Amino acid sequence: LAKTTQPISMDSYEGQEVNITCSHNNIATNDYITWYQQFPSQGPRFIIQGYKTKVTNEVASLFIPADRKSSTLSLPRVSLSDTAVYYCLVGDPRYNTDKLIFGTGTRLQVFP
Amino acid sequence: GAGVSQSPRYKVAKRGQDVALRCDPISGHVSLFWYQQALGQGPEFLTYFQNEAQLDKSGLPSDRFFAERPEGSVSTLKIQRTQQEDSAVYLCASSLGLAGSWSYNEQFFGPGTRLTVL
Repeated sequence: LAKTTQPISMDSYEGQEVNITCSHNNIATNDYITWYQQFPSQGPRFIIQGYKTKVTNEVASLFIPADRKSSTLSLPRVSLSDTAVYYCLVGDPRYNTDKLIFGTGTRLQVFP
Repeated sequence: GAGVSQSPRYKVAKRGQDVALRCDPISGHVSLFWYQQALGQGPEFLTYFQNEAQLDKSGLPSDRFFAERPEGSVSTLKIQRTQQEDSAVYLCASSLGLAGSWSYNEQFFGPGTRLTVL
């Protein structure tokens, strides 16, 4: 499984766009990039997944360059409720038996 | 229920006591995972079930940890002779477990059980 590296923490203010970058230099051909979000006292929650280029959903956008050695999670106009830990994971989604490998994540603090 | 539920939400045990943590996965989900999350760290895999079969228990830290899912739905994680280093949040997750599919088997997590061993 590819190792990921992401910043330990980030601060932002309400209404700003937040970009969290994750490095995964050893990503394999069949690997997808997945981001989970975890609020205090809750389990992680899937937010977005992509393979290449750009993916957007109602929560976030995920930008993946052509070499796929990094990815950027973009949260538009954050609010206080976006304060959470964000985890970047890399793996092959074909294998439903595949355990998720979390790093320490990026702790995002949004201030008013 | 609408999501994965776990009970109890909080458990305090004296060192040496046995504890049992319960997980109710989403109905119909084939796959069930247990994770351990220490304070300030990401979740770490403990064990995996496909229906009632425990297919991977490589993450269980010692033989004091035991998990079961006898009827392929509810699962119990048991920790015998608890130690202070067992203090953590124990998370359960379930997924549809679609075999051989390119569809992502999203894991849905419960709120966790916070275990404190005194």
